Formats: sequence, structure tokens, C-alpha cells
Amino acid sequence: AQTVTQSQPEMSVQEAETVTLSCTYDTSESDYYLFWYKQPPSRQMILVIRQEAYKQQNATENRFSVNFQKAAKSFSLKISDSQLGDAAMYFCAYSTASISNFGNEKLTFGTGTRLTIIP
Amino acid sequence: DAGVIQSPRHEVTEMGQEVTLRCKPISGHNSLFWYRQTMMRGLELLIYFNNNVPIDDSGMPEDRFSAKMPNASFSTLKIQPSEPRDSAVYFCASSPLATSGGAQQYFGPGTRLTVT
Repeated sequence: AQTVTQSQPEMSVQEAETVTLSCTYDTSESDYYLFWYKQPPSRQMILVIRQEAYKQQNATENRFSVNFQKAAKSFSLKISDSQLGDAAMYFCAYSTASISNFGNEKLTFGTGTRLTIIP
Repeated sequence: DAGVIQSPRHEVTEMGQEVTLRCKPISGHNSLFWYRQTMMRGLELLIYFNNNVPIDDSGMPEDRFSAKMPNASFSTLKIQPSEPRDSAVYFCASSPLATSGGAQQYFGPGTRLTVT
């Protein structure tokens, strides 16, 4: 079974600075997907960024980027120019590639990192 | 698009009562997922459906929990009888078809269940 580990329960960063959230995972599969989801106090889960394991290039979405190290099974999230609205719980998640033509597979989540933005 | 709709948003019930949580996925999405979030266990998948068919229910805690998806636009998660340890936030999520997997899951606002 796949596992996802987030070793930083809490992080804080000064507004406008850069912060990196860590995530490691364990799998024997070669093809899979990795995600970062954000959960603000409203508790709505929002996708931040998605990475396909077979792609070498790290995914980026505006101020959000990842450092995907497949051999090390590491998938960290970098937030640049941190803003007050970035304060939230951040969850790293893993999904296997579909093993049938049924379509999508489930997400396995890490325990989350609570990010605080200091004004 | 209204997004994934869940009802009720909050539910308070007494131990032993039946609880039914409802979910309307985004129109056109083929997969539906039920998750539970607690402080102790984090986010865990309970069950998911592809094209209305249950694919994996290994996360359902016990026989008190059941889920149905009678059509593409509606799903229910039922707990009977409810117990205090069932108190949690229950999320429903849906995603469009992606034969190789990896499609974004769109989450509903969640139902906060409190069992006293």
C-alpha cells in the first residue's frame, strides 16, 4: 500500500517570503500522480498543483511550484511571495495511475502541514 | 457550475440514530468519492464509485456504514446506528473521466457530523 508522509505539522513564513513544505511517499509503482491540496479555515479542499510521475519537468502554477525527485520519492511544494490568503492546511496526496478502464483512482493523503503567514 | 453539493452542512444527532449524508456531484463527472476527516486519523477514503459502480469500499469502517449511488447525479452515505466516534467532517468529491487516472478531484464543502 502507498503511504504519504508530511513531517512538518506546522510551518510559518513572513509575508512576501518563500516557504517550502515537505512531502515524501512510498510506492512500488512507476506510474502515478501527486497532488498538493489546500484547506483554508472554510475547510473547502482546493487543488493547488498536480504532478505526473512520468514527467521530468516540475509543475508550476503561478507562485506555487514543486520539486519532484522521483528516485528519492520526494515531492515538496514551494510557495513564493507568500500572501495572507495562503494560510491554510496543505495536504500532499498520491494517486496511482488507473489500472483499468474504469477511470479514476482514489487519493491517499498525508497528515497535512498547517501554514501560518506572519504579516 | 455549482460545484459539488453536500447536504446537510451540519448534522447533530444522538447516538443510535440513523444519519444520511447526501451528495450531488458535478454534472458530467464519472467518479465520486466519500472521505472522512478527523483530527486523529486525518483524511481517509471511505468508498468510491466509477460510473455509479462501487469500486473500492475497503475504507468503510464497519457494517454500520453504507453508501449508494443510484444515478450519476446523486449519492448517499448512511450510518445506522450512529456512534460518538463517527463524529467527523465527511467530504464528497467528484472527478471527470480520465482513463489513465490522475484527474483533479473537486471537493464539496463537507458535512460536519456530531454524534452525542
